[in-house]
Amino acid sequence: GAVVSQHPSRVICKSGTSVKIECRSLDFQATTMFWYRQFPKKSLMLMATSNEGSKATYEQGVEKDKFLINHASLTLSTLTVTSAHPEDSSFYICSASSGQPGGEAFFGQGTRLTVV
Amino acid sequence: AQSVTQLGSHVSVSEGALVLLRCNYSSSVPPYLFWYVQYPNQGLQLLLKYTSAATLVKGINGFEAEFKKSETSFHLTKPSAHMSDAAEYFCAVSDSGGYQKVTFGTGTKLQVIP
Repeated sequence: GAVVSQHPSRVICKSGTSVKIECRSLDFQATTMFWYRQFPKKSLMLMATSNEGSKATYEQGVEKDKFLINHASLTLSTLTVTSAHPEDSSFYICSASSGQPGGEAFFGQGTRLTVV
Repeated sequence: AQSVTQLGSHVSVSEGALVLLRCNYSSSVPPYLFWYVQYPNQGLQLLLKYTSAATLVKGINGFEAEFKKSETSFHLTKPSAHMSDAAEYFCAVSDSGGYQKVTFGTGTKLQVIP
């Protein structure tokens, strides 16, 4: 299957700082990328959907000013957690799709964010 | 709106025993259905997917799942559990109209007892 690389795999940051997480599709063009958040012992919750070259669509309850998503190219989307707080600590996972009907969305390895 | 329900947040089986993880879905359009596995602190790996072809889908690592429209189910099975199968399993559904916006179930943690 196609490869989606997410970086970094782990990050620890101080409260009040911003953290950027990258999601790259290595061998295909990802017209659509998705960002998920996984709370401890919970399922993955979709945060937002981003299409290349347009603004991301955020799910209800997700603060768009806090979780900035940029999808500037067909192979890269970034999630920036701004002014991070300890409650933002979580496992963040991206997925990427070429947008073909019936196609598969490929997931990155995830990023464990810890805000101290 | 789409949703999936996974019955049982924890399932324990003995090594060599049958694995059965249950998933029921709800979708207003023909669904695409997936099973993913997640090992600790790792991302998701696709086990198998149903996309309206054969109702019995075979995946990796000896897993398979059967799409039953009448029961709105997509249960995951494996004839003989291995220790390496211990992980969290997620059932998921997406809109067959193609956009891979995936809705996940709450997950089932599989424990394999030696």
